[in-house]
Amino acid sequence: AQSVTQLDSQVPVFEEAPVELRCNYSSSVSVYLFWYVQYPNQGLQLLLKYLSGSTLVKGINGFEAEFNKSQTSFHLRKPSVHISDTAEYFCAVIKRGQNFVFGPGTRLSVLP
Amino acid sequence: KAGVTQTPRYLIKTRGQQVTLSCSPISGHRSVSWYQQTPGQGLQFLFEYFSETQRNKGNFPGRFSGRQFSNSRSEMNVSTLELGDSALYLCASSLGDSPTDTQYFGPGTRLTVL
Repeated sequence: AQSVTQLDSQVPVFEEAPVELRCNYSSSVSVYLFWYVQYPNQGLQLLLKYLSGSTLVKGINGFEAEFNKSQTSFHLRKPSVHISDTAEYFCAVIKRGQNFVFGPGTRLSVLP
Repeated sequence: KAGVTQTPRYLIKTRGQQVTLSCSPISGHRSVSWYQQTPGQGLQFLFEYFSETQRNKGNFPGRFSGRQFSNSRSEMNVSTLELGDSALYLCASSLGDSPTDTQYFGPGTRLTVL
């Protein structure tokens, strides 16, 4: 069964600093990868997804992620964070014929 | 276009009762998935429906059930509630049943079992 690891449960960072949220998954065979964000008291919103093609994926709100097949990683990055980026971020993986598997989440806190 | 709506947003029940949660997908979407979110277990997949048929089911006891209607609206039911069923229940809809289709999430129903 697929599994997703997000090594950092909490990441504090100062406003305008860069950030990287790490995600590793168990199998790189025909998987599709996603990053979702959840703001307080809300559902999940898709940031970006990797289906195929270019390994660098750009998403909304200035976020991007890089698919690394050899390291089975899909780390999320943003060059300069804002207070409004404070939220919980979930990495997810799905294989055809199976259901979504989400990571445990990383709580990003942007400090003034 | 209206987003995914879930009703009710908050619910308080006692142990042993049963509950029904409702999800209205985005217009034109035919697939609905349900997830349970708790601080301890995170986001866990419950089940997925496509065109009124259950396509996939997560590892939950039979007390958790669901259905989808011809207009794609979906309901999930939990019978004989336990304290551990307290959670945020999220519904997501997508256009089709391809894993590459983007899932759009509703705001969730927060269930508290006393």
